[in-house]
Amino acid sequence: DAGVIQSPRHEVTEMGQEVTLRCKPISGHNSLFWYRQTMMRGLELLIYFNNNVPIDDSGMPEDRFSAKMPNASFSTLKIQPSEPRDSAVYFCASSSGGVNQPQHFGDGTRLSIL
Amino acid sequence: EDQVTQSPEALRLQEGESSSLNCSYTVSGLRGLFWYRQDPGKGPEFLFTLYSAGEEKEKERLKATLTKKESFLHITAPKPEDSATYLCALGDYGQNFVFGPGTRLSVLP
Repeated sequence: DAGVIQSPRHEVTEMGQEVTLRCKPISGHNSLFWYRQTMMRGLELLIYFNNNVPIDDSGMPEDRFSAKMPNASFSTLKIQPSEPRDSAVYFCASSSGGVNQPQHFGDGTRLSIL
Repeated sequence: EDQVTQSPEALRLQEGESSSLNCSYTVSGLRGLFWYRQDPGKGPEFLFTLYSAGEEKEKERLKATLTKKESFLHITAPKPEDSATYLCALGDYGQNFVFGPGTRLSVLP
């Protein structure tokens, strides 16, 4: 079975540019999560969706960050405008029933903002 | 606010040398305590879920246990392929979810 698929795997861009990260969850999973991982702050939950509806976006750091889930098989995380402090690894995960079910992670997008 | 701490931060073991990793937490209403393994360049991989104090789960050389304040991940006779970062996380009844900082485990041949 295909796991969670994220693209791109690596992204290098200049400060001020718009960045879009993409995620395809595991088929049949109804919950999707976006995380950010840094050495300083570890793994932080940014936002999660149940049945394509955002449930908790309290982890989104600023208005520059936005996430959408237009259908059950696709989600995007957008940063506009990007800043060097946004450099991190961004993970997408999916589960079959919210935060308290096992989450299955993609391999992440390593984002570098110059 | 839910909090999770893990110790030690890093651990080096010789192959076959058993040990335990600790996850301490404070939470208002524990819904589930999760253990994940993360290899370099990869996303975390689910290992166990524990729901109530006294519960134990095992998988190969790993056993996870849970009390009201902490969880332990016991590693019996580890092998070099067990080297990874081990993360614990907890969810509460308010749909909050938080990861601990992790323990980096190195098992030397």
